[in-house]
Amino acid sequence: DAKTTQPNSMESNEEEPVHLPCNHSTISGTDYIHWYRQLPSQGPEYVIHGLTSNVNNRMASLAIAEDRKSSTLILHRATLRDAAVYYCSYDPGTYKYIFGTGTRLKVLA
Amino acid sequence: GAGVSQSPRYKVAKRGQDVALRCDPISGHVSLFWYQQALGQGPEFLTYFQNEAQLDKSGLPSDRFFAERPEGSVSTLKIQRTQQEDSAVYLCASSLNRYSNQPQHFGDGTRLSIL
Repeated sequence: DAKTTQPNSMESNEEEPVHLPCNHSTISGTDYIHWYRQLPSQGPEYVIHGLTSNVNNRMASLAIAEDRKSSTLILHRATLRDAAVYYCSYDPGTYKYIFGTGTRLKVLA
Repeated sequence: GAGVSQSPRYKVAKRGQDVALRCDPISGHVSLFWYQQALGQGPEFLTYFQNEAQLDKSGLPSDRFFAERPEGSVSTLKIQRTQQEDSAVYLCASSLNRYSNQPQHFGDGTRLSIL
């Protein structure tokens, strides 16, 4: 079955980089990897997505393993506002996007 | 611009009542998804629309759940004869087209509580 696996929680100090891993070993060669983050009482917010090569935007960077079975979301300098639950996700070709249980990121001041 | 809007934000109903949850997607977005999110869990797929066509409803938990998008824009998720296990946050998301290179844009959800 298609699934993603992420650590339940991580901590980071403010102003330091954070690397959030995701395992998606069941992904196929044409499925994009998406990352979202969710604050309490809000819907998930899009962060970044990619297919094969590493991607950067104003929010984060996405490093995708060469075999595409895992990826890492990189926040270059964590701020208190980055504290959220982070989900990696992909569509296994059936419209049924897979979301795992996510990683709760705690940022320490 | 306007994002995805869901209403109501909160809904409390007694067991056995029918409820209707509304989603206004981003204008021009072809794809629309409904998800159910239990406390502490990630979103779980319920159903998918491409314009007005419901292409996949395999995630709907039972035949008490029904979704429609008659004109290819606004969508309604209806739950008949609600049960306590239906209590959850229901999220709606839209994307520009059906291809997986397009991100989904989520509303803030409807928190449904069944007493």
